[in-house]
Amino acid sequence: AQSVAQPEDQVNVAEGNPLTVKCTYSVSGNPYLFWYVQYPNRGLQFLLKYITGDNLVKGSYGFEAEFNKSQTSFHLKKPSALVSDSALYFCAVSPRWGNNAGNMLTFGGGTRLMVKP
Amino acid sequence: EAQVTQNPRYLITVTGKKLTVTCSQNMNHEYMSWYRQDPGLGLRQIYYSMNVEVTDKGDVPEGYKVSRKEKRNFPLILESPSPNQTSLYFCASWSGAGVFYEQYFGPGTRLTVT
Repeated sequence: AQSVAQPEDQVNVAEGNPLTVKCTYSVSGNPYLFWYVQYPNRGLQFLLKYITGDNLVKGSYGFEAEFNKSQTSFHLKKPSALVSDSALYFCAVSPRWGNNAGNMLTFGGGTRLMVKP
Repeated sequence: EAQVTQNPRYLITVTGKKLTVTCSQNMNHEYMSWYRQDPGLGLRQIYYSMNVEVTDKGDVPEGYKVSRKEKRNFPLILESPSPNQTSLYFCASWSGAGVFYEQYFGPGTRLTVT
């Protein structure tokens, strides 16, 4: 069975500082990996995905994530945080093969990012 | 505008009273899914559908039913709601080869069962 861990319930960072939101996963074989963001009273919005190729993936709003196969991690990063980045962030994984490939995303528990002015 | 809509957005009901939450998408997506979101647990998939009349269970299907009679609609049915189904529910849709394409989420339905 696949699983995703987001070890921090909340990350606090000052505006202008770099931010990292951590994600580790467990899945058979090579995964598809995703980050989604949820703003208050809204549904989830796609940020970025890793399918194959370059381990550093760039996404929306200046976010990027690095796929590290040996550490089974996919941490979300941004060089300079904005107050408007404050939201709930979810990491998700899907296997490439098997009955659940393409049909079932497993989400982490979410990390709340608070960017202070 | 491409979107996934859900109704109602908020619902308070009593144990045992059947209810339906509607979901509709205007992007002609083949795939649709229902999730529930609970604090600390992230989103867990309830049911998903690969196309009209094709559905399958997700991680937490107990107590829920779905149907896919039209491509754009994917209602979630709670035949006999119980308090442990109090949660925030999201519908999502996506196209093509599953997770090659990002999922589009509705705005959510907050359900309270007393």
